[in-house]
Amino acid sequence: DTGVSQDPRHKITKRGQNVTFRCDPISEHNRLYWYRQTLGQGPEFLTYFQNEAQLEKSRLLSDRFSAERPKGSFSTLEIQRTEQGDSAMYLCASSTNASWGQFFGPGTRLTVL
Amino acid sequence: EDQVTQSPEALRLQEGESSSLNCSYTVSGLRGLFWYRQDPGKGPEFLFTLYSAGEEKEKERLKATLTKKESFLHITAPKPEDSATYLCAARSGYSTLTFGKGTMLLVSP
Repeated sequence: DTGVSQDPRHKITKRGQNVTFRCDPISEHNRLYWYRQTLGQGPEFLTYFQNEAQLEKSRLLSDRFSAERPKGSFSTLEIQRTEQGDSAMYLCASSTNASWGQFFGPGTRLTVL
Repeated sequence: EDQVTQSPEALRLQEGESSSLNCSYTVSGLRGLFWYRQDPGKGPEFLFTLYSAGEEKEKERLKATLTKKESFLHITAPKPEDSATYLCAARSGYSTLTFGKGTMLLVSP
């Protein structure tokens, strides 16, 4: 399968714990995006990488959130000191350039108890 | 601030009953209008990109059209497997998409 993959698919954690998610984009895609989606809402942009450079961050991305793409391939999204309001589906997408559609992975469902 | 509004929120159709979904957008300098399909518990699946008013794209029973203020997703003779949430997104910059809340479509046999 050459699509975007995300790991884990589901994560249940207790409030205050740290969690890390991984995204592997489509291999030839140099752009990588993170979004967050809650029930009944469309995805909301969090951050964007072009190769290894993080070029844009949303105001939604508080200082508890950090994302990396160290070698311009896979990316990680870490949430520190999780809160119940962080419960959501975290989606990763990739594209070759801005003109093409972004292709999404299956998402990581986070539940904070 | 970019805004995307989709209507209706939910739509129930009988198999074979054609209809249209609406996406109204307010963005400063549209650089693409995107349609996605999302099944429950899955990531959005890319359908179409439209760039300029008057443009149309088709895929099987779906046709997307674009005007200067809105886009329509026309569904012709839908089947139960077309049941999903359809998301519309607008891009004004070079990267991020602003999504609407989606239209949940249910097609009954």
